[in-house]
Amino acid sequence: DAGITQSPRHKVTETGTPVTLRCHQTENHRYMYWYRQDPGHGLRLIHYSYGVKDTDKGEVSDGYSVSRSKTEDFLLTLESATSSQTSVYFCAISDLSPETQYFGPGTRLLVL
Amino acid sequence: GENVEQHPSTLSVQEGDSAVIKCTYSDSASNYFPWYKQELGKRPQLIIDIRSNVGEKKDQRIAVTLNKTAKHFSLHITETQPEDSAVYFCAASNLSGNQFYFGTGTSLTVIP
Repeated sequence: DAGITQSPRHKVTETGTPVTLRCHQTENHRYMYWYRQDPGHGLRLIHYSYGVKDTDKGEVSDGYSVSRSKTEDFLLTLESATSSQTSVYFCAISDLSPETQYFGPGTRLLVL
Repeated sequence: GENVEQHPSTLSVQEGDSAVIKCTYSDSASNYFPWYKQELGKRPQLIIDIRSNVGEKKDQRIAVTLNKTAKHFSLHITETQPEDSAVYFCAASNLSGNQFYFGTGTSLTVIP
């Protein structure tokens, strides 16, 4: 597996609280992505980054924000968590575009 | 945006038989089509990919075919084995490559 870690791996939170998920890579890849995975929907892109401080929205970006201050870190923030954001969140990286994406181990988030 | 449809959603085959999973896409500008395998509780991992300038690609027991005119591509697994049991996702990427659109997945079960 490529050098990608996600933290936390599991989180339970309450509706209305802010949540930040971290993706860390040691591959020095330019592109980083955040996806959510839900039954019946496959993987849906939330936000992506094409460089430090360069980010853009994906198809399901409402309620999420991201930041990338260093090449190796890509943060996903749920400003005010809702039950509909209960999901498994995957980070992915790639060196070129379009090119193979390597996925992190995932974060299971439960919003009560 | 791009719309990727994947069929069937579930597939059961006898060990040794072949399995075929089909995907269609809507954006004629898409030019990169990867396939990912996801075992239960694990991260998606690339198994094969194809670009729009070729019609077929093989890697041992796995092959992918692409029909640009019809805007569909298929994954073929021959001589299936129990360890092929997993969820398979197709995806399509546009010319800029910054966004990947995934199908909803096919759960493949290989019966020993």
